[in-house]
Amino acid sequence: DAKTTQPPSMDCAEGRAANLPCNHSTISGNEYVYWYRQIHSQGPQYIIHGLKNNETNEMASLIITEDRKSSTLILPHATLRDTAVYYCIVRASKTSYDKVIFGPGTSLSVIP
Amino acid sequence: DTEVTQTPKHLVMGMTNKKSLKCEQHMGHRAMYWYKQKAKKPPELMFVYSYEKLSINESVPSRFSPECPNSSLLNLHLHALQPEDSALYLCASSQDVPGASNQPQHFGDGTRLSIL
Repeated sequence: DAKTTQPPSMDCAEGRAANLPCNHSTISGNEYVYWYRQIHSQGPQYIIHGLKNNETNEMASLIITEDRKSSTLILPHATLRDTAVYYCIVRASKTSYDKVIFGPGTSLSVIP
Repeated sequence: DTEVTQTPKHLVMGMTNKKSLKCEQHMGHRAMYWYKQKAKKPPELMFVYSYEKLSINESVPSRFSPECPNSSLLNLHLHALQPEDSALYLCASSQDVPGASNQPQHFGDGTRLSIL
């Protein structure tokens, strides 16, 4: 699976959009981009995933560049509850179950 | 609230004790996972079960013994642990449909284990 690079930490003002970048320059054609987050003292939580097209759900939007070498997770109106570590993961399932390898992630602090 | 339930939430045990961690899900998922997470580090995969069979063992020491008695339950049996085994142990599950390659994992909130 391709390796990802994320900034170790970011701050965002409450109510503003949080834009979390991820570089995955060695991504291959069949690899998906996944985002999870982990709030303190909780297990990781799935946010969103995509292959080529931009994706949006009730939690966030995922913007993938045309060359697929980078992506951005957007939290449109960050709240204090969005303070967490955000993990960008790139993987292709060669089996019917998936093996998720977590990198260090980005620690997002939402500031009042 | 998580759909994957782990018990106990906290466990303190001595190095000679035997204990078990339990994980339960009722989402019909057929893949289940154990992860270990040290403080300020990302989760690390330990074991994967697919259709109640052990599919991946990430070279985990034998003092950790997983068990999947049925499709809803996953246990991790602990024996003769070391202080460095103190960590948060996370369970996860996902659908396991052959040919479907993009199925997210659902995590429990973990068991915080301390070895004295």
